[in-house]
Amino acid sequence: GAVVSQHPSRVICKSGTSVKIECRSLDFQATTMFWYRQFPKKSLMLMATSNEGSKATYEQGVEKDKFLINHASLTLSTLTVTSAHPEDSSFYICSAPIDRGGETQYFGPGTRLLVL
Amino acid sequence: KNEVEQSPQNLTAQEGEFITINCSYSVGISALHWLQQHPGGGIVSLFMLSSGKKKHGRLIATINIQEKHSSLHITASHPRDSAVYICAVRARGRSQGNLIFGKGTKLSVKP
Repeated sequence: GAVVSQHPSRVICKSGTSVKIECRSLDFQATTMFWYRQFPKKSLMLMATSNEGSKATYEQGVEKDKFLINHASLTLSTLTVTSAHPEDSSFYICSAPIDRGGETQYFGPGTRLLVL
Repeated sequence: KNEVEQSPQNLTAQEGEFITINCSYSVGISALHWLQQHPGGGIVSLFMLSSGKKKHGRLIATINIQEKHSSLHITASHPRDSAVYICAVRARGRSQGNLIFGKGTKLSVKP
């Protein structure tokens, strides 16, 4: 079945460094991928929509210069947290719809980021 | 008030019990998702509904569009069902991934 993978699953970094998180669709092409963030004991929130070949669409309140998204190919989207701060510590999850316009989405396993 | 409300917040059950988790929403929707999040954080999509009822193994999901309500049922519950169950809706007019998530129901099934 369709699978979405994320790497790394867990990362600890120092404040001020940049962290890249990869999201891959493993046996299907995804022209669109979604990035979500989940703070402890809070609901998932959509951060941005990653579009292959064009700029990402960011949700209100999400800084595009801080959370850089690159959808380099039909199977890979990356989220780079630049100059990370402790308040960026969160659980980041990506998802990809199985087909354009379809409702069925496959979620990645998530990346837990801890910024010290 | 959240646009998606789940109840209960926490649920403890004995193995074998029939479980119901409820989701109410206040917006017009094009689809509703039930998701399962395990302690490590990974999310699995269980169902996507726009009407009626779906069944997969011991899991059943129903939705009543008029009443803006959905339920997730687990029959013959098992300790491995212990997880957080999340209801999420795609509001009409929003883009595909722009889901509104409930806060989740934490289920613990005791042996």
